[in-house]
Amino acid sequence: DVKVTQSSRYLVKRTGEKVFLECVQDMDHENMFWYRQDPGLGLRLIYFSYDVKMKEKGDIPEGYSVSREKKERFSLILESASTNQTSMYLCASRKQGNEQFFGPGTRLTVL
Amino acid sequence: LAKTTQPISMDSYEGQEVNITCSHNNIATNDYITWYQQFPSQGPRFIIQGYKTKVTNEVASLFIPADRKSSTLSLPRVSLSDTAVYYCLVGGEGTYKYIFGTGTRLKVLA
Repeated sequence: DVKVTQSSRYLVKRTGEKVFLECVQDMDHENMFWYRQDPGLGLRLIYFSYDVKMKEKGDIPEGYSVSREKKERFSLILESASTNQTSMYLCASRKQGNEQFFGPGTRLTVL
Repeated sequence: LAKTTQPISMDSYEGQEVNITCSHNNIATNDYITWYQQFPSQGPRFIIQGYKTKVTNEVASLFIPADRKSSTLSLPRVSLSDTAVYYCLVGGEGTYKYIFGTGTRLKVLA
């Protein structure tokens, strides 16, 4: 069965901290995505990766970076967390076509 | 990417058929129409995808008129567990930058 896992369901960090959100998929998918979801704004794409070590900016990359050293793992990094980065973060992966498989999400609170 | 417009919310009763329409006037020739479902505290889940006419699977049907400027997701005989947010997306095969928008919040009432 298809599976995308995220390292934490809930995370609380302080302003200025460096935050790592990990995403792992077990489906040998080439493409991986990071979104954030906020009330009234829907899902917005932060970064995506179409292959190992390859990454592209999405619609709202400011304040974030990503790393994809292995095919199954895609990490989202908040270099210096700020309160406006409090959000639900969703990871997804995809092999081909348009069907993305999403993880359960990480609800991040930055105090 | 084509912009989509769908109702913000809908209410229905158990056992009824629900139709959610999405408008995508600027759809391109190679664009597909894809629908996702999202339950509270979960990530979205792919429901159905189509290019033209009608597509049906075990969960839903998707109706696409000849001009493809709109599409309708049809959920037969909904139950309380169909309460979710439904997103309409438009893009070519393998598009990376899909626009999910805010979706349609469907509430099924007993």
